[in-house]
Order: sequence, then C-alpha cells, then structure tokens
Amino acid sequence: EIAMTQSPDTLSVSPGERATLSCRASQSVGSRLAWYQQKPGQAPRLLIYGASTRATGIPARFSGSGSGTEFILKINSLQSEDFAVYYCLQHDNLPLTFGGGTKVEIK
Amino acid sequence: EVQLVQSGAQVKKPGESLKISCKVSGYSFNAHWIAWVRQMPGKGLESMGVIYPDDSDTRYSPSFQGQVTISADKSISTAYLQWSGLKASDTAIYYCARHPTGIFSHFDYWGLGTPVIVST
Repeated sequence: EIAMTQSPDTLSVSPGERATLSCRASQSVGSRLAWYQQKPGQAPRLLIYGASTRATGIPARFSGSGSGTEFILKINSLQSEDFAVYYCLQHDNLPLTFGGGTKVEIK
Repeated sequence: EVQLVQSGAQVKKPGESLKISCKVSGYSFNAHWIAWVRQMPGKGLESMGVIYPDDSDTRYSPSFQGQVTISADKSISTAYLQWSGLKASDTAIYYCARHPTGIFSHFDYWGLGTPVIVST
C-alpha cells in the first residue's frame, strides 16, 4: 500500500498571500495524483487531477505540480473561501490512498 | 448533470446490520467504477473499496476486506455498502464517489455523504 504524507499539518496564511502544500508518496505514482478541498460539513471537491490539470470550474489561482513522489499544490492570493482542508490522493495503485490532509487556516 | 444521491443518516446499535445506498444519475452507471470512502469523526479520508457495476467486479482495500460488502444493482443505478454486525468504530461519514476513466483514475463526482452513528 502506498503511503501518502502531506505537510504541513496546518498552514496559517493571511488572505491575499500564497499557500504552498506538499504531498509525498512512499513510491512513485507517476502523475496519478489528485488534490481535493474539503470544507466542514461538505463532501470533498476535486481541484486538480493528473498532478497538474485543474478540474472544471476551478479558479486559476490553484495550481498543481510534481511527478513521481513529490507533489505541490499552490494557492495564489488566498480568498476567504479557500480556507479549508486539502487532501492529496494517489490513484496509481490499489488501494487508492489519501494523504492525511493539510488544514489551511486564517492567520 | 451527474449526481450521486446517498441515503440518509443512520443511528444503529452495535451488532446491528446496515445497508446504505448511492443512487446515480446523469451518466451510464454500468460504465464507471464507484468507490466508497470513509471519514471518521475529525479524521481524514480512507478508500474502502470499489465496484464496477456492469459485472460487479469488486476490489476491497485490505483494511476493509471482510468488514463490509460492496454491491450494485444495475437495474436501478444504485451502489450499496453494507455491514452485518456494526461496531462503535464504524461511526463515520461514508461517501460514494465516481472514477471517471477506469479504476486507476481519480474521483470526480462525490455524493454528499451518509453519516452513520453506532452507539448503545
């Protein structure tokens, strides 16, 4: 089973600033990496798939990069609605596995 | 419009059985893998297993093998997750989610979740 490790656990950012979230896989997953946003009481929302492709309707301030074992999600100019928990998901091997999440909170 | 509509919240006692559902619309149910994802209170997301409705090919994550049963009814475009003997540790929100392009793809559409509480 591939282990996914996200860092940091919590990121304190001021509105308008940039957030950089990391996700590391215990073995290569190629580009089969997705990012999700989850707000309290809501289902996860797909942001990025294929490591760098934004899902339909996702603003351009969200960008994903990386391949193999190291991945980054950047959120430029954080808006109030961006404060949430973010998860990465590897879908290269079964079972699919999620990272533990990074909470982006208001500084 | 793709929709995954899940059954409502459940409150059960330990040892009871339960079957929750995920009814899909807006796409060909038979042609896409459907997954179940657990989220325990205050915790992260865990993939439990997946099913291909067309032939009911089912794959379980090791942690959930033997603990739950995933099934599907093509005639009503509905996937199911069931337990034969609930435990307090099964208390969680359970989401169904669709794989858009095969079992090794991400999840694109999600249901809203079914909260399950298991308590005496």
